[in-house]
Amino acid sequence: DVKVTQSSRYLVKRTGEKVFLECVQDMDHENMFWYRQDPGLGLRLIYFSYDVKMKEKGDIPEGYSVSREKKERFSLILESASTNQTSMYLCASSFAGEHTQYFGPGTRLTVL
Amino acid sequence: GEDVEQSLFLSVREGDSSVINCTYTDSSSTYLYWYKQEPGAGLQLLTYIFSNMDMKQDQRLTVLLNKKDKHLSLRIADTQTGDSAIYFCAEWENYGGSQGNLIFGKGTKLSVKP
Repeated sequence: DVKVTQSSRYLVKRTGEKVFLECVQDMDHENMFWYRQDPGLGLRLIYFSYDVKMKEKGDIPEGYSVSREKKERFSLILESASTNQTSMYLCASSFAGEHTQYFGPGTRLTVL
Repeated sequence: GEDVEQSLFLSVREGDSSVINCTYTDSSSTYLYWYKQEPGAGLQLLTYIFSNMDMKQDQRLTVLLNKKDKHLSLRIADTQTGDSAIYFCAEWENYGGSQGNLIFGKGTKLSVKP
């Protein structure tokens, strides 16, 4: 079975802190994705990566950056957390050329 | 950009059939998906349908695709309380070559009453 894990299920941070959300997949997938999910807005794509050291902006990249130093790991970075970044963050991965994405359990981030 | 629309809520009684509807805009979509999200969890792939199919059945799940109207539906037969979840419709947006991404609807929250 495909396994996508995220470093924390729940996280509470303060405004201005630097926040790292980690995602690891064990299926040798080339593609990895970060989404945020908010009530009434569904899933919105923040960043994605098709390969190591590659990154592409999604629909809402402002306030976020990413890092993909190894194929299995994709990190989402909030350089200076703000209250409007309180959300559920979902990581996903897929094989190159395949459309099916496999999701992690999500990290619920609260920024106070 | 492409858009996927679905109603936000659906309530049914246990044992009834549930039908969750979705409309999409990209007529060139090759794959359309249904994902399920249980409370506090990530998204789980339920089923998908290729655009050259009209229907796909998998146990209690039936997916119907009307390409002319760009309408996708998910029917759950004999709905159980364990089916209570948010159901997301998604279409594949092709960027060129093998590159592309899934465009998700906002999700339909299905509530099953005993």
